[in-house]
Amino acid sequence: EAGVAQSPRYKIIEKRQSVAFWCNPISGHATLYWYQQILGQGPKLLIQFQNNGVVDDSQLPKDRFSAERLKGVDSTLKIQPAKLEDSAVYLCASSYRTGSIEGQYFGPGTRLTVT
Amino acid sequence: GQQLNQSPQSMFIQEGEDVSMNCTSSSIFNTWLWYKQEPGEGPVLLIALYKAGELTSNGRLTAQFGITRKDSFLNISASIPSDVGIYFCAGQNYGGSQGNLIFGKGTKLSVKP
Repeated sequence: EAGVAQSPRYKIIEKRQSVAFWCNPISGHATLYWYQQILGQGPKLLIQFQNNGVVDDSQLPKDRFSAERLKGVDSTLKIQPAKLEDSAVYLCASSYRTGSIEGQYFGPGTRLTVT
Repeated sequence: GQQLNQSPQSMFIQEGEDVSMNCTSSSIFNTWLWYKQEPGEGPVLLIALYKAGELTSNGRLTAQFGITRKDSFLNISASIPSDVGIYFCAGQNYGGSQGNLIFGKGTKLSVKP
C-alpha cells in the first residue's frame, strides 16, 4: 500500500514569510497527526485530527500555526509568519484509528529552513 | 509535561558488536515503543511493548518494558552497517490526550564495518 505522502520535501523561506505543507495519509486512515522535529530532538506532536475534527491541538502555537483537514483526507499545515525557531522537519503521520499504536505510519517529512 | 530521558546520546560501535540503549521517565506509561529513523525519512516502528515486564523480540532486536513502567531498554545483537540511524523511544498513555506519543531525544548509532 502507498505510504504517507508529504510535499514539499524541502523549503527555505525568510523569517516573517508564510509557508504551507501538505500531507496525504494512507487510504482509509481516519487519524492524522502533524509533528515538529527540531534537529537533535524527537518528534513533538502539534495537532491530531480524527476525520476532519481536531482531537488535540494543545501544543500548536496558534498565533502563527494553523492546520486543516477539510474533507477528512488530505491536510495542510500553515505557518504565518515564520520565525527562525520554526526551522525543523515537519512530519505527518496517520493511523487507522486513534490510539492505534502499531498503525501510526510516518511520512518522510518536510524540512523547513527559516533564514 | 512528560519527558523521556534517552541514553546514550550517540554510540560508535564495530560491526558485530551488541548494542544497548535505554529510556527513563519520571512518570509512568501504559505503552513503550521503539522507533528507528534514517536520514530523510520518518520514524519507523520497531517494537511495541504493552505490559510491565514484557520482553519482546523482533529479529536481532529485543526490548523490555520496565517493571516500574517508567523505563524501557532496547538491545541490538550482532550489529550490521544497516543498523545505522537514530533510535527513539516513545511512551504513550491513553486518556484525555487520546494516546499521544511522547518521544525521547534519540540515540544516534554509527556502525563501523
